[in-house]
Amino acid sequence: NAGVTQTPKFRILKIGQSMTLQCTQDMNHNYMYWYRQDPGMGLKLIYYSVGAGITDKGEVPNGYNVSRSTTEDFPLRLELAAPSQTSVYFCASRPSGEAYEQYFGPGTRLTVT
Amino acid sequence: AQSVSQHNHHVILSEAASLELGCNYSYGGTVNLFWYVQYPGQHLQLLLKYFSGDPLVKGIKGFEAEFIKSKFSFNLRKPSVQWSDTAEYFCAVNNYNNNDMRFGAGTRLTVKP
Repeated sequence: NAGVTQTPKFRILKIGQSMTLQCTQDMNHNYMYWYRQDPGMGLKLIYYSVGAGITDKGEVPNGYNVSRSTTEDFPLRLELAAPSQTSVYFCASRPSGEAYEQYFGPGTRLTVT
Repeated sequence: AQSVSQHNHHVILSEAASLELGCNYSYGGTVNLFWYVQYPGQHLQLLLKYFSGDPLVKGIKGFEAEFIKSKFSFNLRKPSVQWSDTAEYFCAVNNYNNNDMRFGAGTRLTVKP
């Protein structure tokens, strides 16, 4: 199986534009996550989902929205892009239960100018 | 809120040197602990994890980590590093009762041949 896939790999947005970052996993994982990674800051959790139809805010949700209509897909939406959203975005998933690690996608590098 | 501290931003070692990267967390309850590695241009991969049991955990590529509950620490070690260990290393903590994974800021390891 492909694991966690993300599209696009790279994107440049102008300020105020909107876009959706796609994330799909084929491992039938219930839990899915979106992180942003900034230099020297590690990964910050934006949103997560524990199953289809259920989402919750993480540490840095402002400026983002998510939906989870299927087990496989967890898109991240930026409505009004701002330079502060320039970052690398990682999607991750894991099975239900306590004793499992997260599996990460390859990332999307987003630049807002 | 729980937080994770990694003591070193950048570590430079020669091949065959021993490695220890520090990680401390702030949460006082039951936690799951992880070390992830990110090789240049790649996504995060799991090095090792601790959920319960023996506090000395062995991972891939000769890495190990020791959970010391009284010190809230989960330091990563490797007796002899290789040039191919050049990467960024992230410590992560997951509160046992929720889904909010917190990452440290990362430690960049450079191994000189």
